[in-house]
Amino acid sequence: GNSVTQMEGPVTLSEEAFLTINCTYTATGYPSLFWYVQYPGEGLQLLLKATKADDKGSNKGFEATYRKETTSFHLEKGSVQVSDSAVYFCALSDLGGGSQGNLIFGKGTKLSVKP
Amino acid sequence: SQTIHQWPATLVQPVGSPLSLECTVEGTSNPNLYWYRQAAGRGLQLLFYSVGIGQISSEVPQNLSASRPQDRQFILSSKKLLLSDSGFYLCAWERLGEDYGYTFGSGTRLTVV
Repeated sequence: GNSVTQMEGPVTLSEEAFLTINCTYTATGYPSLFWYVQYPGEGLQLLLKATKADDKGSNKGFEATYRKETTSFHLEKGSVQVSDSAVYFCALSDLGGGSQGNLIFGKGTKLSVKP
Repeated sequence: SQTIHQWPATLVQPVGSPLSLECTVEGTSNPNLYWYRQAAGRGLQLLFYSVGIGQISSEVPQNLSASRPQDRQFILSSKKLLLSDSGFYLCAWERLGEDYGYTFGSGTRLTVV
């Protein structure tokens, strides 16, 4: 079945450090891929998405490229800030695979950025 | 504008009590709606989804049920809560078309004591 595996946390970085959170997926067909972020005390927010191979999603300095050959969608940011501290979820949607586009999440990676 | 509302934000309930969490969507019609749960130390888990009034699909056997009494209303219920029902519950609306994606409600933190 479809699944998402993402790097386990917690991840602790200093401000301005480079961030990579790995995410790989298993899916039939051509899923859409997402990164969601959950800030402390808030619900999930869409950070970025990519709907086909080689697409690059980007938002707020974060980027992720849909790599079909490696079935990956790693999240990167060149210089993190304290305000980036949150839990990040990688997810896929198998829309078109007959399951009404269910969103399948990874377990989440908690990021803490220290000043 | 298109929005999703979920309430309450926090809830503390005793074991054995009933549960009703409500989610409503505005600004769209016939949405696909979902209930997710995030248990402590675990990822998000799909509980139920609905593609229309009265149409509910369950992904995981559990102590919970869902109903879709109106097009833009999705309710998560339980007759008797268990300690293991504690967690963070999220309602989500699947946006189809060019702006494909999911919009989440603000979540309900449920603590069963």
